[in-house]
Amino acid sequence: DAGVTQSPTHLIKTRGQQVTLRCSPKSGHDTVSWYQQALGQGPQFIFQYYEEEERQRGNFPDRFSGHQFPNYSSELNVNALWLGDSALYLCASSAGYSSYEQYFGPGTRLTVT
Amino acid sequence: QKEVEQNSGPLSVPEGAIASLNCTYSDRVSQSFFWYRQYSGKSPELIMSIYSNGDKEDGRFTAQLNKASQYVSLLIRDSQPSDSATYLCAVARRGYQKVTFGTGTKLQVIP
Repeated sequence: DAGVTQSPTHLIKTRGQQVTLRCSPKSGHDTVSWYQQALGQGPQFIFQYYEEEERQRGNFPDRFSGHQFPNYSSELNVNALWLGDSALYLCASSAGYSSYEQYFGPGTRLTVT
Repeated sequence: QKEVEQNSGPLSVPEGAIASLNCTYSDRVSQSFFWYRQYSGKSPELIMSIYSNGDKEDGRFTAQLNKASQYVSLLIRDSQPSDSATYLCAVARRGYQKVTFGTGTKLQVIP
């Protein structure tokens, strides 16, 4: 039973660039949420996708956008990168829109220089 | 006031002892509560969920919820060095899909 997978594992970008992170949910899951975790902090909710639509959004600027595909996989796009965007980006999947029990992928470590 | 508050620790306990981790939350409408374990350099792993007042036990773990006091705790019995990790408390509000995490408590189990 495949768990949540994310790619790439690590990424280094320069300020002002754009980045795309990818996530495949756990088998049987159809809902994907994205989180940003800065060093020493808890994960911060970015947004959630269900049925290929953004259902809820946290306190993140429009530079953060996403997409969900018919196979439930998802992408997180960040435009105009800032140094402060350096963090671990986590994807979590769950079974059904109303389920809060989320399973996290290994994360993508993004470094902005 | 933070939505979810935890003591950052570290909390040090000897092997075999009971570790007690605490969390308070500010939103009275919160209905779902979770404990995640995060090893250094790894992603969070769900270990307990609790939805009703009282205790919920799973193996060596017991989650306790008191909605009147807006307080959630996690007890780890017979603590092992492998339990050394950061424990994240997370809360979901009724009607919203957003899950809010605390900053986590670092637990160190001393052999």
